[in-house]
Amino acid sequence: TQLLEQSPQFLSIQEGENLTVYCNSSSVFSSLQWYRQEPGEGPVLLVTVVTGGEVKKLKRLTFQFGDARKDSSLHITAAQPGDTGLYLCAGVGDSNYQLIWGAGTKLIIKP
Amino acid sequence: DSGVTQTPKHLITATGQRVTLRCSPRSGDLSVYWYQQSLDQGLQFLIQYYNGEERAKGNILERFSAQQFPDLHSELNLSSLELGDSALYFCASSGPTGPNSPLHFGNGTRLTVT
Repeated sequence: TQLLEQSPQFLSIQEGENLTVYCNSSSVFSSLQWYRQEPGEGPVLLVTVVTGGEVKKLKRLTFQFGDARKDSSLHITAAQPGDTGLYLCAGVGDSNYQLIWGAGTKLIIKP
Repeated sequence: DSGVTQTPKHLITATGQRVTLRCSPRSGDLSVYWYQQSLDQGLQFLIQYYNGEERAKGNILERFSAQQFPDLHSELNLSSLELGDSALYFCASSGPTGPNSPLHFGNGTRLTVT
């Protein structure tokens, strides 16, 4: 069974600080998706990474897929209150193409 | 707006009752997924349908069932409800662009069992 472990589970920091969220597995994924969920809403896709070592940037957010396609990270530079939310990673299984979800990182950015 | 519509937004019912949650996928999407999310937790995959056929099953209880109709809308039926079934239930849809297709989520149905 493929598992995705997200860390940290919870993070509360001040506006302007940097942070990194990790998504790790012992299994290989064909791709990995990052979503953000705000209270009362469904998750919204931020980015999909497909190639090992791939780096994608979305304004102050930087996403990286590990070389072996077993892990990914999300780095936020100069966090703002609008970044507050639940960040979820989801990997597409390399063999069965099922979407495996991490448990999420609840991020609070204090003004 | 994701294009995925879920009704109702809120549902309050008593233990032992049965409810039906409805989902209309994004126009053109053939896959529909159902997820359960308890308070401040991640998503638990329940079931997936593709063009009317069941494609994959997750941690769905026997008291729960779903179907996808010819017009591609889907319904999730929850019966013999228990207090622990209180949660947010999300529907998501995806297009036919392969296994890496992103999911588009509705805003969920909040179920409260009293």
